[in-house]
Amino acid sequence: AQSVAQPEDQVNVAEGNPLTVKCTYSVSGNPYLFWYVQYPNRGLQFLLKYITGDNLVKGSYGFEAEFNKSQTSFHLKKPSALVSDSALYFCAVGDSFGNEKLTFGTGTRLTIIP
Amino acid sequence: DVKVTQSSRYLVKRTGEKVFLECVQDMDHENMFWYRQDPGLGLRLIYFSYDVKMKEKGDIPEGYSVSREKKERFSLILESASTNQTSMYLCASSPGGSKETQYFGPGTRLLVL
Repeated sequence: AQSVAQPEDQVNVAEGNPLTVKCTYSVSGNPYLFWYVQYPNRGLQFLLKYITGDNLVKGSYGFEAEFNKSQTSFHLKKPSALVSDSALYFCAVGDSFGNEKLTFGTGTRLTIIP
Repeated sequence: DVKVTQSSRYLVKRTGEKVFLECVQDMDHENMFWYRQDPGLGLRLIYFSYDVKMKEKGDIPEGYSVSREKKERFSLILESASTNQTSMYLCASSPGGSKETQYFGPGTRLLVL
């Protein structure tokens, strides 16, 4: 069975500071990993994904994520936070055994303080 | 751009009513999914479909059924709505095969009284 943990329900960051939203995962085979963002009263928007290759993945809106196999982590990062980055962020994992289903984390609410 | 639309943004129903939530995608995707989103629980998969008339139970199928008569349309049915089904319902679609990105609709916020 696959699972995802987002250990922080809430992260507060000052505008202009770097931000990190944490995600750890558990799968049977090789993982493929996603980050999505949800703005108020909206659906989820795709940010980035890791399938294979370079451990640093770059995505939309200046976000990036680092895949770390030994620590089974896929943390989302941004060098300089904007107030508009305030939203709910979800990490999701799938496995490599031909399974189309993703398992989502419980979400982390990111608040950027002006 | 992929577009996934859901029939209603907000819906209020009474306990015991039969409720239909509809989802349409315009990118010829093979896979379609229904999730519910609850605070502190994240997204939980209710059902998914990998082809017309094909469906598979997700993690929380009890109290729900689905229908996929056409490739672009995936319906979620609450046979007899209950208050514990008050939630945000999200539809998603993806191309066939694993490792594909899922694209989400705007969601339907359902309140069951």
